[in-house]
Amino acid sequence: GNSVTQMEGPVTLSEEAFLTINCTYTATGYPSLFWYVQYPGEGLQLLLKATKADDKGSNKGFEATYRKETTSFHLEKGSVQVSDSAVYFCALRTNTGNQFYFGTGTSLTVIP
Amino acid sequence: EAEVAQSPRYKITEKSQAVAFWCDPISGHATLYWYRQILGQGPELLVQFQDESVVDDSQLPKDRFSAERLKGVDSTLKIQPAELGDSAMYLCASSLGRGHGNEQFFGPGTRLTVL
Repeated sequence: GNSVTQMEGPVTLSEEAFLTINCTYTATGYPSLFWYVQYPGEGLQLLLKATKADDKGSNKGFEATYRKETTSFHLEKGSVQVSDSAVYFCALRTNTGNQFYFGTGTSLTVIP
Repeated sequence: EAEVAQSPRYKITEKSQAVAFWCDPISGHATLYWYRQILGQGPELLVQFQDESVVDDSQLPKDRFSAERLKGVDSTLKIQPAELGDSAMYLCASSLGRGHGNEQFFGPGTRLTVL
């Protein structure tokens, strides 16, 4: 079956610290992989995506590389800001059926 | 910039009452999704439409939930009767449809509180 496993939170970091949020997946076929971010009281916003093995998605200083050999898509940022405080969701999209599967989310708090 | 619209943003109701949520996807998006998100968890798919047809409603509690997308554009999700456990955020999302890498675009959600 298809599933996404995310590193559990909450994660608390000081401003300018390095961030890693782990994500691994199980999927049949060749899924696309996504990271979404959710701010309090809002819907999810796409942060970045990768559609094939070894692709690197990047946006706003965040990066994630699609690693087929380890079935992983870890999110990284070199220097976090207070404004990055949010909940981050890893997700996969099946290449058949157009279905999405989400991880449970990782809450990040960045303190000044 | 095109957005997914949802209304209402907040809804408070008493148990056993009926509630309805509305979603208008981004124009041209063939696929529409309804999710339920319980606080502290990830979105859980309730129903997925391709145009006006349901393609997945396996997780929809059909004894009390119903969803329709009559003209393949906007959609309504209904709960009747509401139960205390239905308190959650209900998210609507849309995507272009089939095609590798197409992402979902989410609306702001409807926060439901059942008293």
